[in-house]
Amino acid sequence: EVQLVESGGGLVKPGGSLRLSCAASGFTFSSYSMNWVRQAPGKGLEWVSSISSSSSYIYYADSVKGRFTISRDNAKNSLYLQMNSLRAEDTAVYYCARDSGDSSSVSWYFDLWGRGTLVTVSS
Amino acid sequence: SYELTQPPSVSVSPGQTARITCSGDALPKQYAYWYQQKPGQAPVLVIYKDSERPSGIPERFSGSSSGTTVTLTISGVQAEDEADYYCQSADSSGTSHVVFGGGTKLTVL
Repeated sequence: EVQLVESGGGLVKPGGSLRLSCAASGFTFSSYSMNWVRQAPGKGLEWVSSISSSSSYIYYADSVKGRFTISRDNAKNSLYLQMNSLRAEDTAVYYCARDSGDSSSVSWYFDLWGRGTLVTVSS
Repeated sequence: SYELTQPPSVSVSPGQTARITCSGDALPKQYAYWYQQKPGQAPVLVIYKDSERPSGIPERFSGSSSGTTVTLTISGVQAEDEADYYCQSADSSGTSHVVFGGGTKLTVL
């Protein structure tokens, strides 16, 4: 079955760190760019970060630049998001999303999503 | 970065046609994409490149584009179509790269 499964969410204090993981299965992970998208409680979707298939290209939203680091391990079919200096406004469900594969690099839209993992930043 | 503007809510009766709009200055130059999100679930891509429908998406879902506005049309709305719908586009001119609209809650009366 083609799927993405996120893990690693939880409760963390402001200023703390957390590492999210996304396990991919059912498709050739190494052929796709991957992304993180978040959704604050009761709010809309917000793109967080993207990484190309070979990690050559990495992009961040301004709201997380310098604090979050995206990475991947193609041998383990896994995507990661290291989140440092967390703030209350980072509280959200974090979704792992597969790039459509329409482009040789990043196509900037998402054809497969995981169910998400909740990150709560609170003292 | 630019913004995509959607109406907060749209209501229709079963069997009618629902139209959800999304406006943005870059839409004449960039494709739009639409996602459906039901409560507690992950988003699902329902339209890509303005009007293409992914496999497995019912034919009642269609998309169109005119100038700075794109439209998601759901013909013969069913109760199961009640959900939040988000438009999305790429931001080639700014640093955001990906922009989502604020979302539209579709209510089936």
